[in-house]
Amino acid sequence: NAGVIQTPRHKVTGKGQEATLWCEPISGHSAVFWYRQTIVQGLEFLTYFRNQAPIDDSGMPKERFSAQMPNQSHSTLKIQSTQPQDSAVYLCASSLEFGGSAETLYFGSGTRLTVL
Amino acid sequence: TQTVSQSDAHVTVFEGDSVELRCNYSYGGSIYLSWYIQHHGHGLQFLLKYYSGNPVVQGVNGFEAEFSKSDSSFHLRKASVHWSDSAVYFCAVSVHNMGYKLTFGTGTSLLVDP
Repeated sequence: NAGVIQTPRHKVTGKGQEATLWCEPISGHSAVFWYRQTIVQGLEFLTYFRNQAPIDDSGMPKERFSAQMPNQSHSTLKIQSTQPQDSAVYLCASSLEFGGSAETLYFGSGTRLTVL
Repeated sequence: TQTVSQSDAHVTVFEGDSVELRCNYSYGGSIYLSWYIQHHGHGLQFLLKYYSGNPVVQGVNGFEAEFSKSDSSFHLRKASVHWSDSAVYFCAVSVHNMGYKLTFGTGTSLLVDP
């Protein structure tokens, strides 16, 4: 079990360019989460999928950010027209889910996005 | 809305010392509380969690945490720290039956001097 895999580890984009971040959850996990981590804001929830369906995207900026989960083996976070304030570490996590029980989240190592 | 506060941004101790990292939460309903650790350059790793039952929960690597409803706290403790425990520790809360979204505190950076 390789854990949650995020690619790339580092990405540098110019202002206005698009960035796509990839996440491969642990096999068999039904939930996938995206978080953003910065020094100033800390860990911010972005969005959450269950069985590939979007459940809660309340943390996603309304413009330029989108997330997809086309199959159970990967999810993508896309940022269009990147801005310097988008610079952050983007963390993906996955978990099993049973009823209303909060299960352990398993995090990837993150993608560090730097927008110049 | 549930909130989590970690009052200490930085804690420094010597190897072999005991340590307590503080976490206070605010929410009136049923919640899950957990602690995660993040070593530099890595993602977060689960340490322990609490929902009900014995208020003292044991985690990995000798960590334990105690839930207190009266104090609205879930402090993390370790009796004897090792230099490898140096990391950032995050307390998190999720609301029972309202999904699995975790709300994290701001983190406490623990430095263990050898």
